Amino acid sequence: KQEVTQIPAALSVPEGENLVLNCSFTDSAIYNLQWFRQDPGKGLTSLLLIQSSQREQTSGRLNASLDKSSGRSTLYIAASQPGDSATYLCAVRPTGGFKTIFGAGTRLFVKA
Amino acid sequence: DGGITQSPKYLFRKEGQNVTLSCEQNLNHDAMYWYRQDPGQGLRLIYYSQIVNDFQKGDIAEGYSVSREKKESFPLTVTSAQKNPTAFYLCASSIGSSGGAIQYFGAGTRLSVL
Repeated sequence: KQEVTQIPAALSVPEGENLVLNCSFTDSAIYNLQWFRQDPGKGLTSLLLIQSSQREQTSGRLNASLDKSSGRSTLYIAASQPGDSATYLCAVRPTGGFKTIFGAGTRLFVKA
Repeated sequence: DGGITQSPKYLFRKEGQNVTLSCEQNLNHDAMYWYRQDPGQGLRLIYYSQIVNDFQKGDIAEGYSVSREKKESFPLTVTSAQKNPTAFYLCASSIGSSGGAIQYFGAGTRLSVL
């Protein structure tokens, strides 16, 4: 059974710092891995989608990597800003199934 | 503007009452989903629908029901059989059910028990 774990559960950093959020999954048989952002009391916004054949995706200050063999993905945020404060969720889409499996998220707080 | 609209934003349920959460999308997506989010947990799938007039149970379907009579609408009913309904409910849609399809989410409905 696929499980997704995100560590740490919460993170506080000063503005301007580069940071890495971690996601691990137990089964490497996946279609893709997706990173989402969730603001308090809001829905999820898709940030980056990495297909199983890809190693990384970039969007602005965000870079996500995927290492299927080790069951890991990282989300790198460059030059963090207070507006980046939110919960970041990782989700994997296993092969042979329709469901998406979500991690519990990392709550990020960027201090001005 | 294309998107997913969930209503109401806040909902209160009395004991023994059924309540219905609305989800409407104008993205022309075939697939729609309902998730439940509890503090400190990942999203858990309640029901999903790949096409009109068809839907399947997710991991935690007990105490919930859905219908998919129109492509753009996928309402969720929380029945009195759901003993712990307090949670944040999220509706999502995707263009299809294939592995590469990105899911788009609504803003959510927060359900509380009176």
